Amino acid sequence: AQTVTQSQPEMSVQEAETVTLSCTYDTSENNYYLFWYKQPPSRQMILVIRQEAYKQQNATENRFSVNFQKAAKSFSLKISDSQLGDTAMYFCAFMKRQGAQKLVFGQGTRLTINP
Amino acid sequence: DAGVIQSPRHEVTEMGQEVTLRCKPISGHDYLFWYRQTMMRGLELLIYFNNNVPIDDSGMPEDRFSAKMPNASFSTLKIQPSEPRDSAVYFCASTPYPGSYNEQFFGPGTRLTVL
Repeated sequence: AQTVTQSQPEMSVQEAETVTLSCTYDTSENNYYLFWYKQPPSRQMILVIRQEAYKQQNATENRFSVNFQKAAKSFSLKISDSQLGDTAMYFCAFMKRQGAQKLVFGQGTRLTINP
Repeated sequence: DAGVIQSPRHEVTEMGQEVTLRCKPISGHDYLFWYRQTMMRGLELLIYFNNNVPIDDSGMPEDRFSAKMPNASFSTLKIQPSEPRDSAVYFCASTPYPGSYNEQFFGPGTRLTVL
């Protein structure tokens, strides 16, 4: 079974700073996907960024980028030039590429951006 | 595109009552997922459907929970009888097919409180 661990329950930074959220996972699979979802106070789950394990290049989406270390089973999210609207819970998630379409989530990191 | 629609947004009921949560997936999406979010257990998959057929219900906690998908545009999650420990936010999500990205689109969730 796959597990996803987010070791930082809460983080807080000042607006415009850069922040990195950590995620590690455990799997015996070789092909899989990794995701970061954002859950603002509105409760809506929003996809932030995704990474395919067979791609060595780290994914980027505007101010959001990941550091994917497959051998270390690490998948951290970096938010550059943080904004007040980035305040949310952030969940790291894993999905096997083949077979069951199950998202396995970490426990989440509560990120607060202070003005 | 209206996105995934869930109803009701909030439900308060008394222990022992039947509760029915509803979901309308995005049109054309072949996969539908039900997740539960609690403080203690985080986000966990309860069941998912492919083309209206339940594929994996191993996450359904017990026989009090049942889910149906009578057609491609509607699914229900029923709890009978409800218990206080069922209090949680229940999310429905859909995805078009197990393609290269497998993004799941989430509804706004139903906050269930069982007194």
